[in-house]
Amino acid sequence: EAGVTQSPTHLIKTRGQQATLRCSPISGHTSVYWYQQALGLGLQFLLWYDEGEERNRGNFPPRFSGRQFPNYSSELNVNALELEDSALYLCASYRDDVYNEQFFGPGTRLTVL
Amino acid sequence: RKEVEQDPGPFNVPEGATVAFNCTYSNSASQSFFWYRQDCRKEPKLLMSVYSSGNEDGRFTAQLNRASQYISLLIRDSKLSDSATYLCVVNEKSGGYQKVTFGTGTKLQVIP
Repeated sequence: EAGVTQSPTHLIKTRGQQATLRCSPISGHTSVYWYQQALGLGLQFLLWYDEGEERNRGNFPPRFSGRQFPNYSSELNVNALELEDSALYLCASYRDDVYNEQFFGPGTRLTVL
Repeated sequence: RKEVEQDPGPFNVPEGATVAFNCTYSNSASQSFFWYRQDCRKEPKLLMSVYSSGNEDGRFTAQLNRASQYISLLIRDSKLSDSATYLCVVNEKSGGYQKVTFGTGTKLQVIP
């Protein structure tokens, strides 16, 4: 079974630009979570998508947005990039079952210059 | 009070030692609990789920205490390869609502 995939692995942008990050969940999983992990800090919940809809979002400004496609893959968009957006962005695939476990992709490391 | 709290460490222990981490959570409605392991600059990987009855996987034992609202992870016979950050995760789920909260992690360094 293929794991969660994310692209690109690394992304370098400048302030004010927009970044698009992509995630493909494990086959059969309908939920995708996005997290931000700044260097040396814990995971901060960004967004949760399930069955194509945004179900919940964390305490992030509206310039962080995303969507989930019919095949359950997902995009995270960050507009008007700021230096402090530099972080590892992790996507987790989740299947709503008795186990409720999340499985993470390798992440996209975003650097804003 | 933070929703999920962990001692950040670092815990520096010699090879072969037994080490235990605790994690407290604030919401008594929380239903699912997990321990993840995260190596430096890598994604978190599921180590084990935590069940009410406690569960063991090799050298690792996880316990849940709902009355005191904490979970624990015990690592016996520590190996150098156990060096990592251990994340506690708490899941609240009710109907269509779900909230997953990660602790900030406890860093373990196993020393030769």
